[in-house]
Amino acid sequence: KAGVTQTPRYLIKTRGQQVTLSCSPISGHRSVSWYQQTPGQGLQFLFEYFSETQRNKGNFPGRFSGRQFSNSRSEMNVSTLELGDSALYLCASSLGDSGNEQFFGPGTRLTVL
Amino acid sequence: GENVEQHPSTLSVQEGDSAVIKCTYSDSASNYFPWYKQELGKRPQLIIDIRSNVGEKKDQRIAVTLNKTAKHFSLHITETQPEDSAVYFCAASPPYGGATNKLIFGTGTLLAVQP
Repeated sequence: KAGVTQTPRYLIKTRGQQVTLSCSPISGHRSVSWYQQTPGQGLQFLFEYFSETQRNKGNFPGRFSGRQFSNSRSEMNVSTLELGDSALYLCASSLGDSGNEQFFGPGTRLTVL
Repeated sequence: GENVEQHPSTLSVQEGDSAVIKCTYSDSASNYFPWYKQELGKRPQLIIDIRSNVGEKKDQRIAVTLNKTAKHFSLHITETQPEDSAVYFCAASPPYGGATNKLIFGTGTLLAVQP
């Protein structure tokens, strides 16, 4: 099976712009979670989707949003970008609905100038 | 809120020695504890996990122990090799609000194995 894929791999944006990142989970996986990875804060949970429903949301401002489609593909959107949003954004997919191994994608490296 | 503390932040060992990384979690209801290895420029990959109904799990040179009373879990790597050099993250999955795959990660341990 193909692994988790993310597009684009790299993005450069300026402050105030918005960005959409995409994640395609492993075939058959219905759970997709998003994480932000930075050198200072480590891996922080953004949100989780299961069967098109957001089940959990981390402590991020409302500028961060996401959705999941019927084919389990997921997108996250960040509006009004700030310099501090520069990070590696990782998505992970899981087969079951709870306490399952998560398979990570390669990430999208976002740089905000 | 839920929190996972991880120590040490850096660890340097000689090839062949053992390495131990320790984590403490705050939510006593957490029931799933994975460990991920992330090599430079690569994605995190699961190396071992343990559930709350098990005290210890071993896979070749890697083992994880869980002490639910103390809310501690540890990663043990024996006979370390240079290819074990990476950042290791512990994580806990708090089940609040029902089913979830949400993970709370520790801050990571940079392991350097000196040949």
